[in-house]
Amino acid sequence: DAGITQSPRHKVTETGTPVTLRCHQTENHRYMYWYRQDPGHGLRLIHYSYGVKDTDKGEVSDGYSVSRSKTEDFLLTLESATSSQTSVYFCAISEQGLAYEQYFGPGTRLTVT
Amino acid sequence: AQKITQTQPGMFVQEKEAVTLDCTYDTSDPSYGLFWYKQPSSGEMIFLIYQGSYDQQNATEGRYSLNFQKARKSANLVISASQLGDSAMYFCAMISGGYQKVTFGIGTKLQVIP
Repeated sequence: DAGITQSPRHKVTETGTPVTLRCHQTENHRYMYWYRQDPGHGLRLIHYSYGVKDTDKGEVSDGYSVSRSKTEDFLLTLESATSSQTSVYFCAISEQGLAYEQYFGPGTRLTVT
Repeated sequence: AQKITQTQPGMFVQEKEAVTLDCTYDTSDPSYGLFWYKQPSSGEMIFLIYQGSYDQQNATEGRYSLNFQKARKSANLVISASQLGDSAMYFCAMISGGYQKVTFGIGTKLQVIP
């Protein structure tokens, strides 16, 4: 199994509060991704990173920011959480980019009340 | 626009039988790739198989094969000799847009019956 961990695994927070989710990998893969999974939508890409300090937006990036200061860590921040951001968030890593196999973390279930 | 369509919300298959999960896609990009992922009830996403748009032969990985029909824009997953452990959600996905855009389908829930 690829070494990917996500923290926290579960979080309940209130509307308007900032939230940071962490993805940590031990595989030294260059590419890292954040997805959200919602019923009826499958997975949707939020942001991705193609190297330290190199990030770009995905399909549903509004309301989210990311940072990658080290190869192994990719942080997803909700600046001011809203109820529409209640979701399951998955981190994924890839050695060579989206056209190759991605390894997914266990997911973080976030509830915004 | 890129789109993945999975029209089967749920499927049942008898153990040891083969099953086909449907996936159709739409893209105007000449280069793209198609994936299938499995998500068991435990929640993790597991890569199963990949097919590139220029690959001449259908991809196979053990009991999984991808029936790629480019003219019909379909990329169906075939699971042979189903096992109880195959019960899960299955997602079809496409990478396109210069391999910078990924689109997932909404999934098909497969249940294997003993």
